[in-house]
Amino acid sequence: QKEVEQNSGPLSVPEGAIASLNCTYSDRGSQSFFWYRQYSGKSPELIMSIYSNGDKEDGRFTAQLNKASQYVSLLIRDSQPSDSATYLCAVYSGNTPLVFGKGTRLSVIA
Amino acid sequence: ETGVTQSPTHLIKTRGQQVTLRCSSQSGHNTVSWYQQALGQGPQFIFQYYREEENGRGNFPPRFSGLQFPNYSSELNVNALELDDSALYLCASSPWTSGATDTQYFGPGTRLTVL
Repeated sequence: QKEVEQNSGPLSVPEGAIASLNCTYSDRGSQSFFWYRQYSGKSPELIMSIYSNGDKEDGRFTAQLNKASQYVSLLIRDSQPSDSATYLCAVYSGNTPLVFGKGTRLSVIA
Repeated sequence: ETGVTQSPTHLIKTRGQQVTLRCSSQSGHNTVSWYQQALGQGPQFIFQYYREEENGRGNFPPRFSGLQFPNYSSELNVNALELDDSALYLCASSPWTSGATDTQYFGPGTRLTVL
């Protein structure tokens, strides 16, 4: 059973701070890793993908991958109230579609 | 470029009824996956369609079935509805590249309530 684990939160950070979201996965053969943002009542929106070890930056978002530790994280710099949402970690292992974690609820306090 | 669309937006059914949900894939995408998302949970994979054939299935009973049409649109059918089928049903499309369908883009979803 392939599993993706996330802390459900809520994670509360003040406006302007760095939010750090973490995810671990069980399948060592996993190849692709994704972060989706989901506002309440809406569908998931892809915000980051990462495929190789290290960091990948896109604007205020940085994804970090460590395959040896089976760990992927998302950093959000200069957090804004509009970043308040549930963040879903998803993992692709090549022979099944995405396996999602339960999501971490982020609350950015103005 | 047209994104993924789904219909209807909301649906209320009673136990034992049947329901059909529809999805149009994003332009240029030939693979459609369906997910069920219960409240407070991550999306759970139901099945995927590629070239009008089922290409993988999650842990869902046979009363969950689907179709893909030549224009890559898709339907999800659920028979004999149960209360636990109440959820957000998500359709995701992706291009099939190098035998993989990793990057998936979601439609707005259909909220199904079973009474």
